[in-house]
Amino acid sequence: QSALTQPASVSGSPGQSITISCTGASSDVGSYNLVSWYQQHPGKAPKLMIYDVSERPSGVSNRFSGSKSGKTASLTISGLQAEDEADYYCCSYTGRDWVFGGGTELTVL
Amino acid sequence: EVQLVQSGAEVKKPGESLKISCMGAGYTFASNWIGWVRQMPGKGLEWMGIIFPFDSDVRYSPPFQGQVTISADYSMSTVYLQWSSLKASDSAMYYCVFPSGSPSWGQGTLVTV
Repeated sequence: QSALTQPASVSGSPGQSITISCTGASSDVGSYNLVSWYQQHPGKAPKLMIYDVSERPSGVSNRFSGSKSGKTASLTISGLQAEDEADYYCCSYTGRDWVFGGGTELTVL
Repeated sequence: EVQLVQSGAEVKKPGESLKISCMGAGYTFASNWIGWVRQMPGKGLEWMGIIFPFDSDVRYSPPFQGQVTISADYSMSTVYLQWSSLKASDSAMYYCVFPSGSPSWGQGTLVTV
C-alpha cells in the first residue's frame, strides 16, 4: 500500500490556527474511522495526539482536533504555541494493516 | 493501561543476526494485534508489519516482506522482530505498537549496525 500524503511543511504564527491534511485512498482513510495523529519532537518518541479520527487521549490539549472528509483526514491546531513546533504524522488502518503519512514539519514563526 | 516494554539498545556488525523483543501488559495479549514500526535516522515512521499472537498470523508491509521475521510467544506476552543477516541500512529506532483503540507505543529499541 502507498504511504498517506501529507504536506512536507506548514507554518504559522503564535496564536494562529493551522491544519495539516492527510490524504489516502478509498481503501484506507476513506473506509475506516481509524486515523490517528502523532507529534514527534527531535530525538523523542512519537506522542499520540488524536485517535479514531477525532478522539483526544487524556492529557492532550483541546487545542488539537481531528476530522475526516472522504479520503482526507485533517489535524487542526488552534492557538499555536512555540512548543507545538514538531513533526506530525498521520496513520490509518488499511483493512489489512496500517500505513503512515510521510510526515509534516510544523514551524511556529 | 496498556504497557509495552522493549529490549535494550543493540550494536551489531553487518551480517550478524539479531532478535529484539517487546513485552505487553495490561491487556489480553494473545487476542490483540501488535506491530513494529521503523524510524531511520532523520526519516519518517514506517509500519513494518503486525502479528496476532494467538495464532501468529503475520502481515508484513511489502518493503519488509522477506527482510525481517515477526514472531510471538503469547505464553510470555512477548513479540519479536528478527533479522538473520543485518545490513548497515537496518540501523534505526524500532518501536512496537499496540494500534487498537487509543494506540500505545513501546519506548523504542535503537539498533546500530
